[in-house]
Amino acid sequence: AQKITQTQPGMFVQEKEAVTLDCTYDTSDPSYGLFWYKQPSSGEMIFLIYQGSYDQQNATEGRYSLNFQKARKSANLVISASQLGDSAMYFCAMRGRSWGKLQFGAGTQVVVTP
Amino acid sequence: DGGITQSPKYLFRKEGQNVTLSCEQNLNHDAMYWYRQDPGQGLRLIYYSQIVNDFQKGDIAEGYSVSREKKESFPLTVTSAQKNPTAFYLCASSIVAGGNTGELFFGEGSRLTVL
Repeated sequence: AQKITQTQPGMFVQEKEAVTLDCTYDTSDPSYGLFWYKQPSSGEMIFLIYQGSYDQQNATEGRYSLNFQKARKSANLVISASQLGDSAMYFCAMRGRSWGKLQFGAGTQVVVTP
Repeated sequence: DGGITQSPKYLFRKEGQNVTLSCEQNLNHDAMYWYRQDPGQGLRLIYYSQIVNDFQKGDIAEGYSVSREKKESFPLTVTSAQKNPTAFYLCASSIVAGGNTGELFFGEGSRLTVL
């Protein structure tokens, strides 16, 4: 069985600062994928970044980077230079052997303050 | 513009009534999914379909039903058997092909409230 854990229910970050959102996972599948999604208050889910279990390098997409530590089973999201528009709920998710079936964590609410 | 359209955006229902949520995609994706989200919680998988005329139960399928008669459409019926149907429902789709990440593309969601 797969499990995704996000231990930070919420956090405040000041504009222009960096923030790290924690995500740990558990799976017995040798091949898996890890995703981060952003959910603003409007409700839509916005894909941010993906990391494959066999990828050698950590994924980066603009201000988003994924700190992937395979031995520790962690996939933390780093948002650099936070902006007010980054205020949202952030979800970590994992895909295992069953293609497309994503297991989601409980999410972390981020509030960016001026 | 390609995307996923869910309707209605807001829906109110009396206890004991069935209600159907619509989900249409024009991304030509093979797979479609329904997730449920409760306040302050993550998403839980209700049903998914990887091909027309076939679908599988997810983690919380009880009280729900789906159909997949067309590739573009994957409606979800919330039946009166669902004990606590008030929630935010998200439809998603994905490509099912080797070499792809399996990223889900989401609709804007439907918020169901049972009165």
